[in-house]
Amino acid sequence: KQEVTQIPAALSVPEGENLVLNCSFTDSAIYNLQWFRQDPGKGLTSLLLIQSSQREQTSGRLNASLDKSSGRSTLYIAASQPGDSATYLCALRGNYGQNFVFGPGTRLSVLP
Amino acid sequence: EPEVTQTPSHQVTQMGQEVILRCVPISNHLYFYWYRQILGQKVEFLVSFYNNEISEKSEIFDDQFSVERPDGSNFTLKIRSTKLEDSAMYFCASWTVRGTDTQYFGPGTRLTVL
Repeated sequence: KQEVTQIPAALSVPEGENLVLNCSFTDSAIYNLQWFRQDPGKGLTSLLLIQSSQREQTSGRLNASLDKSSGRSTLYIAASQPGDSATYLCALRGNYGQNFVFGPGTRLSVLP
Repeated sequence: EPEVTQTPSHQVTQMGQEVILRCVPISNHLYFYWYRQILGQKVEFLVSFYNNEISEKSEIFDDQFSVERPDGSNFTLKIRSTKLEDSAMYFCASWTVRGTDTQYFGPGTRLTVL
């Protein structure tokens, strides 16, 4: 059974800092991995999708990497802004199922 | 930008009552999902639906839950007799079979069971 963990659980940084959020998974047989943003009490906003054959994806100040062999993905946020404050979730879809398995999230606070 | 919509945004019900949560997936998508997120916890998979039948379900999706695509556009989740522990945010999602496409999530329905 796929288990997804995210470290740290919470992170507080000053504005302008570059930061890395980590996602680990136990089963490397994944179809794809997706990073989401969730604002308090709100829905899920898709940030980046990485297929199992890819190593990284970039969108603006965000860069996500995937290393299946080590069971890890990272989300890099450059030049963080207060508007980046949210919970960031990673989710995996396995090769043998259709549903996503979600991590618990990292709650990010960017201080002005 | 295509989007998944959900209604209502917030539903309050009494324990033991039936509720129906509604979703309109993206029109050319073929797979449909329900997930739930209890406050402060992980997003959890409930059920997936393809070709008018359930293709996968989790342990959470017991006999009190059912899903339906009644008219080719709506996708519904019914909870027959709600319990306090059913209080959660319920997300609908849809997906095409093309692997490069992301799974699109709706904004969620917050269900409060009193």
